[in-house]
Amino acid sequence: GENVEQHPSTLSVQEGDSAVIKCTYSDSASNYFPWYKQELGKRPQLIIDIRSNVGEKKDQRIAVTLNKTAKHFSLHITETQPEDSAVYFCAASKNNNDMRFGAGTRLTVKP
Amino acid sequence: EPEVTQTPSHQVTQMGQEVILRCVPISNHLYFYWYRQILGQKVEFLVSFYNNEISEKSEIFDDQFSVERPDGSNFTLKIRSTKLEDSAMYFCASSEQGIGNSPLHFGNGTRLTVT
Repeated sequence: GENVEQHPSTLSVQEGDSAVIKCTYSDSASNYFPWYKQELGKRPQLIIDIRSNVGEKKDQRIAVTLNKTAKHFSLHITETQPEDSAVYFCAASKNNNDMRFGAGTRLTVKP
Repeated sequence: EPEVTQTPSHQVTQMGQEVILRCVPISNHLYFYWYRQILGQKVEFLVSFYNNEISEKSEIFDDQFSVERPDGSNFTLKIRSTKLEDSAMYFCASSEQGIGNSPLHFGNGTRLTVT
């Protein structure tokens, strides 16, 4: 089955700096790559996603890039704010049914 | 905005007991899922359900687990004989057209504690 690796496991940045989180996947048939933000004790919430026919997608301070050849995708957060502090999960899916998550990155934005 | 609702928010049970976790997916959604998250770990896929049958299940979803859509609104996860290692947060999720075609919406989760 699909295996998603995520790095780093923890990331600490100063407010205003950028944060980058990277993921790799194993199944070349995967074609959908969402990113979720999970605050402590809460549900995962979708923040951005990308499909395999697109190389990059941006939504305000958040962007995701996908390299299908290398089977990796990245989340970029610019101008980080303390409220960006959370655990971020990448995921990969190849059909309507199964989505596998990475291990998560705990992002801390220091004021 | 419509939400996936889960009950109870916290369930405590003794090892060997059966538990049923309940979920009400968003009303026009056709695809339903259960995930679990052991404290401090990643979200793990358990099972997907579409058209009144299991579409896919993970290696975690063994014979102790079952899912059911007993009526037009509820979607349940049953664990027949709970083990200590079943302690986790269980998230129900639903999607209108399936993962990749429409967003996946998670419920707030049920924290299961097996003692």
